[in-house]
Amino acid sequence: GENVEQHPSTLSVQEGDSAVIKCTYSDSASNYFPWYKQELGKRPQLIIDIRSNVGEKKDQRIAVTLNKTAKHFSLHITETQPEDSAVYFCAGVRQGAQKLVFGQGTRLTINP
Amino acid sequence: DGGITQSPKYLFRKEGQNVTLSCEQNLNHDAMYWYRQDPGQGLRLIYYSQIVNDFQKGDIAEGYSVSREKKESFPLTVTSAQKNPTAFYLCASSITGASIGTQYFGPGTRLLVL
Repeated sequence: GENVEQHPSTLSVQEGDSAVIKCTYSDSASNYFPWYKQELGKRPQLIIDIRSNVGEKKDQRIAVTLNKTAKHFSLHITETQPEDSAVYFCAGVRQGAQKLVFGQGTRLTINP
Repeated sequence: DGGITQSPKYLFRKEGQNVTLSCEQNLNHDAMYWYRQDPGQGLRLIYYSQIVNDFQKGDIAEGYSVSREKKESFPLTVTSAQKNPTAFYLCASSITGASIGTQYFGPGTRLLVL
């Protein structure tokens, strides 16, 4: 079955700098990769996603890149702000599968 | 966000007691999921359901039970067999099919053992 590994587990960056979180997946048939943000004590919320027919997707300060050959995808946050501090989860799923497989999460801290 | 609700926000369980967590959605989603989250940990799948009157075990189903009698509702019972139930429980829903990945989460229920 699918396995998703996420790194790093914690990440601390200065406000205004960029942050990058990477995930690798094992199932070459996986075709959908969402990213969720979970603030302390709150529910996870989808922030961006990418499908396997696209190599990169951007939404303002966040972007996701996908390398199907290497089976990894990354979340990029530019010009980080204090409100970006949260836990971020990546996930993967193959066409027709019934459940997402989540990574272990990355705790991102933005230092003022 | 407002389309999926969980209650109660906090729940206390006594030794040997079964407790039921509520999850309701008005998003007309076919699929619903229950996850357990321990402090500083990721999301572990307990049970999921793709259609009414059908559900499947996730990765950590032991000590839990569910029902799916209505499309809108997917209650989770934490039984006395679950020896370490203290955790944050999250319910989610999604459209089945190609868009399965777009899961919407409820606000969660925090279960504590007395």
